[in-house]
Amino acid sequence: KQEVTQIPAALSVPEGENLVLNCSFTDSAIYNLQWFRQDPGKGLTSLLLIQSSQREQTSGRLNASLDKSSGRSTLYIAASQPGDSATYLCAVRSNYGQNFVFGPGTRLSVLP
Amino acid sequence: EAGVAQSPRYKIIEKRQSVAFWCNPISGHATLYWYQQILGQGPKLLIQFQNNGVVDDSQLPKDRFSAERLKGVDSTLKIQPAKLEDSAVYLCASSLVWGNPKNEQFFGPGTRLTVL
Repeated sequence: KQEVTQIPAALSVPEGENLVLNCSFTDSAIYNLQWFRQDPGKGLTSLLLIQSSQREQTSGRLNASLDKSSGRSTLYIAASQPGDSATYLCAVRSNYGQNFVFGPGTRLSVLP
Repeated sequence: EAGVAQSPRYKIIEKRQSVAFWCNPISGHATLYWYQQILGQGPKLLIQFQNNGVVDDSQLPKDRFSAERLKGVDSTLKIQPAKLEDSAVYLCASSLVWGNPKNEQFFGPGTRLTVL
């Protein structure tokens, strides 16, 4: 059974810092991995999707990497801004189950 | 392009009452998902539809939860009777085609259910 963890659970940084959020999964036979952002009281917004054959994806100030062999993905946010404050979730789709399993999220606060 | 629509946005009921949630996915999206998100946790998949057929409902508490997508477009999730532990946000998501690794999931704003 796939399990997804995210460290840290919460993170507070000053504006302008570069930061890394971590996602770990127990079964490396994944189909794809997707990073989401969730603002308080809102639904999830897709940030980046990495297919199992890819090692990274970039969108603006965001870069997500995937290392299947070690069961890890990282989300790199460059030059953080207060508007980046939200909860960031990763979701893993396994080959065999075809279901998304979500991590618990990392709550990010970027201080002005 | 319109996003995933959900209603109602908020619902407060007493335990043992019934409640229903509605979802309208993005036009043309064949796959529809219902998730339950308890406060402080990531979403948990309840049921997944491909058109009007169920792909996975292994985590749906079938003694009290039911869902349908009769015409392969809109979907309804029902809880009957509700328990205190059902208090959560119920998220609906859709994607273009199931099984394509490039497919992204797009989420609606969710329905926040409080069971008293």
